[in-house]
Amino acid sequence: TQLLEQSPQFLSIQEGENLTVYCNSSSVFSSLQWYRQEPGEGPVLLVTVVTGGEVKKLKRLTFQFGDARKDSSLHITAAQTGDTGLYLCAGAPLNNDMRFGAGTRLTVKP
Amino acid sequence: KAGVTQTPRYLIKTRGQQVTLSCSPISGHRSVSWYQQTPGQGLQFLFEYFSETQRNKGNFPGRFSGRQFSNSRSEMNVSTLELGDSALYLCASSIAMGVGYEQYFGPGTRLTVT
Repeated sequence: TQLLEQSPQFLSIQEGENLTVYCNSSSVFSSLQWYRQEPGEGPVLLVTVVTGGEVKKLKRLTFQFGDARKDSSLHITAAQTGDTGLYLCAGAPLNNDMRFGAGTRLTVKP
Repeated sequence: KAGVTQTPRYLIKTRGQQVTLSCSPISGHRSVSWYQQTPGQGLQFLFEYFSETQRNKGNFPGRFSGRQFSNSRSEMNVSTLELGDSALYLCASSIAMGVGYEQYFGPGTRLTVT
């Protein structure tokens, strides 16, 4: 069982559509991070959310941290083919080592 | 500023051999973490080094070891390789250790064990 559960596992959409992916846990995190990974490369940090209820926007990407700091979501508006990749959430519960979710593999078709 | 570099990028070994992977962190970063990524298990934490000392260790057998040098560069070693060790090994660096310090990943070393 993953400490961080991500859903959906796979998502295939058309360019221009909106989507939301989720990262859930029963543990409390002081912060959560979102990464995007492309094939053959390491994950690239997109954002860190720290405060419960926090919303951060990065162009067409909107990240939200749950009020209880146990979950987070990533919403992409008007997806583009360049958004294709593996989206990973990560966090370190109670100052333990960093844990990653299994990821959501997003494919945006032209 | 140069990013995290890992060498080699690709490696093929046979069962029973050992392998050493290298990681050079971003200049000024003192914490280096190692991860194993496989399709089945995803990204799993191996260990973290800070100031040449191992600070955290994941749930991996003793065949997996590492070290960090005074210039923050790090190496990890896997002895007596098994087929299941085939994976992408990722190194990440951060300015300091602890929650809240953002990690920056290298491109990884793809290890294939035959």
